[in-house]
Amino acid sequence: GDSVTQMEGPVTLSEEAFLTINCTYTATGYPSLFWYVQYPGEGLQLLLKATKADDKGSNKGFEATYRKETTSFHLEKGSVQVSDSAVYFCALSDLGSYDKVIFGPGTSLSVIP
Amino acid sequence: GAVVSQHPSWVICKSGTSVKIECRSLDFQATTMFWYRQFPKQSLMLMATSNEGSKATYEQGVEKDKFLINHASLTLSTLTVTSAHPEDSSFYICSAQTSLIERYGYTFGSGTRLTVV
Repeated sequence: GDSVTQMEGPVTLSEEAFLTINCTYTATGYPSLFWYVQYPGEGLQLLLKATKADDKGSNKGFEATYRKETTSFHLEKGSVQVSDSAVYFCALSDLGSYDKVIFGPGTSLSVIP
Repeated sequence: GAVVSQHPSWVICKSGTSVKIECRSLDFQATTMFWYRQFPKQSLMLMATSNEGSKATYEQGVEKDKFLINHASLTLSTLTVTSAHPEDSSFYICSAQTSLIERYGYTFGSGTRLTVV
């Protein structure tokens, strides 16, 4: 079945450091890909998404490119802030068939001043 | 747009009692809602998919008699944890599906933290 793998955390970075969180997926169809963020004690918020190959999703300085050839959707940010500390989930779903969202295990990010 | 309200945000109950969690779509009609469970420091695991006016579809290993799901209208789905026990303590999150998902992605509620004592 479809699945999502992402780098294990926790990740600890200093403020203004460059962030990369790797995400790869396995899917039988042509899924849409998402990054969700969960701040402590809260629900999930959609951070960005891409619906087809070579699409780049971006939001709040974060970006990720849908790479079909490497089945990847790595999350990047050039300069992280303390307020970016959260858990990040890579996910996929086949929106065309209104299927469920499949989540990766999540990566905890801590940004220290 | 596409806001999902989940209530309560946290609840503490005694072992053996039942707890109801509500998930409402505020500005759209949700034909399908999903219920997830999240253990501490773990990912979200899908429990069930509910479609308005029909029985929910449960994932393998989820007890349908323990986790009762009702989706009686296009804007409301409820999850009732019956005869709760401490091992049911978890973070429960709902998600709604709408024709707007191409624009917003799936919309999630803010979650309910259930503690059974």
